[in-house]
Amino acid sequence: KQEVTQIPAALSVPEGENLVLNCSFTDSAIYNLQWFRQDPGKGLTSLLLIQSSQREQTSGRLNASLDKSSGRSTLYIAASQPGDSATYLCAVRPGTGGFKTIFGAGTRLFVKA
Amino acid sequence: DGGITQSPKYLFRKEGQNVTLSCEQNLNHDAMYWYRQDPGQGLRLIYYSQIVNDFQKGDIAEGYSVSREKKESFPLTVTSAQKNPTAFYLCASRPGQPNYGYTFGSGTRLTVV
Repeated sequence: KQEVTQIPAALSVPEGENLVLNCSFTDSAIYNLQWFRQDPGKGLTSLLLIQSSQREQTSGRLNASLDKSSGRSTLYIAASQPGDSATYLCAVRPGTGGFKTIFGAGTRLFVKA
Repeated sequence: DGGITQSPKYLFRKEGQNVTLSCEQNLNHDAMYWYRQDPGQGLRLIYYSQIVNDFQKGDIAEGYSVSREKKESFPLTVTSAQKNPTAFYLCASRPGQPNYGYTFGSGTRLTVV
């Protein structure tokens, strides 16, 4: 059974710092992995989608990597800003076993001005 | 612009009452999903539908019902059998091919009064 873990649960950094958020999964047989951002009381906004055949995806200050063999993905945020403060979730779509994507519980990020 | 619309944003339910949450998408996506989010927890799948007139139970379907009469619409009814319905409900959709990611609505917060 696929399990997705995000550590730490919360992170506080000063503005301007580069940071890495982690996502671990137990089964390497995946179709893709998607990173989301969620602001308080809002829905999830898709940030990056990495297919199983890809190693990384980039969008602006964000870079997501995927290492299936070790069951890990990282979301790198460069030059963090207070507006980056949100909860970041990763979601793994299994390559087998049906259509149930597994979501991590998220990392709550606070960027201090 | 294409997207997913959830309504209402806030909903209050009295004891013993059924309520229906609306989810409409104009993305021409085949699959639609309902998730429940509780504070500090990951998303839990309630129901999903891969095509019109077909849907499957997720991990926590008890006390909920859905219909999929149109491709664009996937309403969720929270019945009186759901004993702890207070939560944030999120609707999502995606194309039928497995290598595509999710698009989420803005959510409905349901509170029992």
